[in-house]
Amino acid sequence: GAVVSQHPSWVICKSGTSVKIECRSLDFQATTMFWYRQFPKQSLMLMATSNEGSKATYEQGVEKDKFLINHASLTLSTLTVTSAHPEDSSFYICSARTGPSNEQYFGPGTRLTVT
Amino acid sequence: DQQVKQNSPSLSVQEGRISILNCDYTNSMFDYFLWYKKYPAEGPTFLISISSIKDKNEDGRFTVFLNKSAKHLSLHIVPSQPGDSAVYFCAASVAGTASKLTFGTGTRLQVTL
Repeated sequence: GAVVSQHPSWVICKSGTSVKIECRSLDFQATTMFWYRQFPKQSLMLMATSNEGSKATYEQGVEKDKFLINHASLTLSTLTVTSAHPEDSSFYICSARTGPSNEQYFGPGTRLTVT
Repeated sequence: DQQVKQNSPSLSVQEGRISILNCDYTNSMFDYFLWYKKYPAEGPTFLISISSIKDKNEDGRFTVFLNKSAKHLSLHIVPSQPGDSAVYFCAASVAGTASKLTFGTGTRLQVTL
């Protein structure tokens, strides 16, 4: 149980275009989903916390107009990278929390390459 | 400001021996700590956690030790197996922050035959 999927697993896009990444909890309802970003050989950095039906809470330094997060249902959250630039190239990982406990279940990640 | 640090970027251990991965933190408000295992191009997988009210938690081959006064925790894997080869991240959170996790920089463990 507690499986989280992400789609796509990898995507290449051109500068200036927008890319949408989906995060789904397959066998549980996730009231809270988290979006992380990982640069090569670095830690996972929390970008934003997404609660179903409400606006996402962004971490300091993360541009909310560039990284649009929508959590429309208890099983789906989306991250849209708008007007992508090469520096947005990274590994994006989502996680979902089943309840009040601290355990998060992570998706497999999405590799974004902006050319 | 890296609040959670893993000072060893890599570690090599022989199969059957003990692997010890270390993690230090600076924020005294952290009261819940987790270890995750991660393979390349995959998301982290939860391994084991510990609350600040404990100093040890054991689950099979994995044991986590917490030294609050030193703001230090460690993950022991014994015996180490080749399948344990991966990057290990420690993470910390503060109660009441909706499980917002702060991750360390990771340690790559290589278990050799």
